[in-house]
Amino acid sequence: EAGVVQSPRYKIIEKKQPVAFWCNPISGHNTLYWYRQNLGQGPELLIRYENEEAVDDSQLPKDRFSAERLKGVDSTLKIQPAELGDSAVYLCASSSGQPPDTQYFGPGTRLTVL
Amino acid sequence: LAKTTQPISMDSYEGQEVNITCSHNNIATNDYITWYQQFPSQGPRFIIQGYKTKVTNEVASLFIPADRKSSTLSLPRVSLSDTAVYYCLVEKANAGKSTFGDGTTLTVKP
Repeated sequence: EAGVVQSPRYKIIEKKQPVAFWCNPISGHNTLYWYRQNLGQGPELLIRYENEEAVDDSQLPKDRFSAERLKGVDSTLKIQPAELGDSAVYLCASSSGQPPDTQYFGPGTRLTVL
Repeated sequence: LAKTTQPISMDSYEGQEVNITCSHNNIATNDYITWYQQFPSQGPRFIIQGYKTKVTNEVASLFIPADRKSSTLSLPRVSLSDTAVYYCLVEKANAGKSTFGDGTTLTVKP
């Protein structure tokens, strides 16, 4: 069974530029998560989807970050404009939505903002 | 939020058993405890999950006392390749707010 797929794996941009990350979850997983992980820290949840609905986006900086999950499968996370402090690894995870609802992670996208 | 607390780092030698304890005082009745392993440049990888008592799989054991306010991940006979960051996470039964701590960096020495 294929795992969570993310692209690109690495992205380098200059500040004020836009950037987008893509995630394809495990087939059949209704719940999708986007995390940000800074160096030396644990993942921080940005947004969680159940199917197409964003059920928890309290930690998403809405002035510059946006996300969508059309048709309840793939998801895109966008930053516009990027700032130096956005440099981090952006992780996507998915889960079945049924207890115990284990999360399975993709490899992440390492973003460097210059 | 079910926030967890773990030691920041641990050192061990090849062949030894390693036990990493996590405290989760605010765990709710329907929550599960999951441990993840993360290598550099990779996403966290599921290791083991449990609800109570003891769970064992091919790579680890998980011990959970009756009050469930803590759990211990046991790695038998570690090797150099077990050097990684280990995260304890309380998984909400219905995908509620689960919060990662900063994990435990395990360094296995030859």
